[in-house]
Amino acid sequence: DAGVIQSPRHEVTEMGQEVTLRCKPISGHDYLFWYRQTMMRGLELLIYFNNNVPIDDSGMPEDRFSAKMPNASFSTLKIQPSEPRDSAVYFCASSLGGQGRDGYTFGSGTRLTVV
Amino acid sequence: SQQGEEDPQALSIQEGENATMNCSYKTSINNLQWYRQNSGRGLVHLILIRSNEREKHSGRLRVTLDTSKKSSSLLITASRAADTASYFCATVITGGFKTIFGAGTRLFVKA
Repeated sequence: DAGVIQSPRHEVTEMGQEVTLRCKPISGHDYLFWYRQTMMRGLELLIYFNNNVPIDDSGMPEDRFSAKMPNASFSTLKIQPSEPRDSAVYFCASSLGGQGRDGYTFGSGTRLTVV
Repeated sequence: SQQGEEDPQALSIQEGENATMNCSYKTSINNLQWYRQNSGRGLVHLILIRSNEREKHSGRLRVTLDTSKKSSSLLITASRAADTASYFCATVITGGFKTIFGAGTRLFVKA
């Protein structure tokens, strides 16, 4: 397995533009997590899915953020409109079982810069 | 505030020395995990210890868990320059599915 695949690796966009981040989890994993990492706030859990269904989105900062998982092999995190304070590294992670019994596998992240 | 808090925030040691990092948490947990993050990369799972376990080993890693003190430690023995990275503890709260990460310890191993 190629691991969790995220795209793009880097994204630079102008304030107000829509940004879509993509994630392909490991085949067979039933949980998918989206995290955001900044120097100031560390790693924050934004939302997680179980069997493609959003379970907890309490970490999503604002209505500008939305996430979908249309099937077991694909998820998106969308920011519309984007703002400079959204600049961060966004990670997707997947696991077999929600309690991380075998650990979580992280993607390499998408570094988002909003100018 | 963070569920898991690592201590120290930064640690600099010589190659060959042991490195010890600590993690404290606030609520009852199902398990506690340690991750490594190299600069500019994603997190890599190192080891998981369940709430009913007290110690676990994996290669040069030793993890302890004291649920009465709500704390864990990660020991890296005979450190190498390649161990230079940030190390995070992550807790899975009892009855929940969220994994909450601490702020991390930045380890620098000098060759």
